Amino acid sequence: AQTVTQSQPEMSVQEAETVTLSCTYDTSESDYYLFWYKQPPSRQMILVIRQEAYKQQNATENRFSVNFQKAAKSFSLKISDSQLGDAAMYFCAYRSGKGAQKLVFGQGTRLTINP
Amino acid sequence: KAGVTQTPRYLIKTRGQQVTLSCSPISGHRSVSWYQQTPGQGLQFLFEYFSETQRNKGNFPGRFSGRQFSNSRSEMNVSTLELGDSALYLCATAGVGTGELFFGEGSRLTVL
Repeated sequence: AQTVTQSQPEMSVQEAETVTLSCTYDTSESDYYLFWYKQPPSRQMILVIRQEAYKQQNATENRFSVNFQKAAKSFSLKISDSQLGDAAMYFCAYRSGKGAQKLVFGQGTRLTINP
Repeated sequence: KAGVTQTPRYLIKTRGQQVTLSCSPISGHRSVSWYQQTPGQGLQFLFEYFSETQRNKGNFPGRFSGRQFSNSRSEMNVSTLELGDSALYLCATAGVGTGELFFGEGSRLTVL
């Protein structure tokens, strides 16, 4: 069974600074997807960024980028120029590439932005 | 394009009752999956439906069930409610061939 681990229950960063959230996962599959989701207090889960395992290039979405280390099974999220609106719970998630839409989530990291 | 719609948003039940939650997917999305979110257990997969068939099931007791209709709308039912069933229930939908799941705002269930 696949597992996802987020070792940082809480993180804080100064506004405009950069922060990196860590995520490791365990799988025996070669075809899979990895995601970072953001859940603000409004509680709706919002997709931040996705990475296909077969792509070597790290995904980037504006201020958000990932460091995908497939051999190490590591998938960290870097947020640049942090903004107050980035404050939320961040979840790392794994999905098998075999068609089923089942996500395995990490325990989450609560990110606080200090003004 | 309308998002994933979950109803009701909030509900309060007492132990022993049953509850039905509804999820309307994004137009064109045929896969619907359900997740339970609690402070202690985090986000846990309940089940997934695709074209009215359950394709995957998480490790939950038989009191948790679901179904999907021909228009892809899905319902989940929890019978004989227990205090530990208090949670945020999230529905997620996906289109064919995409890797992304889109979530609804959830249904907050409180069991007294």
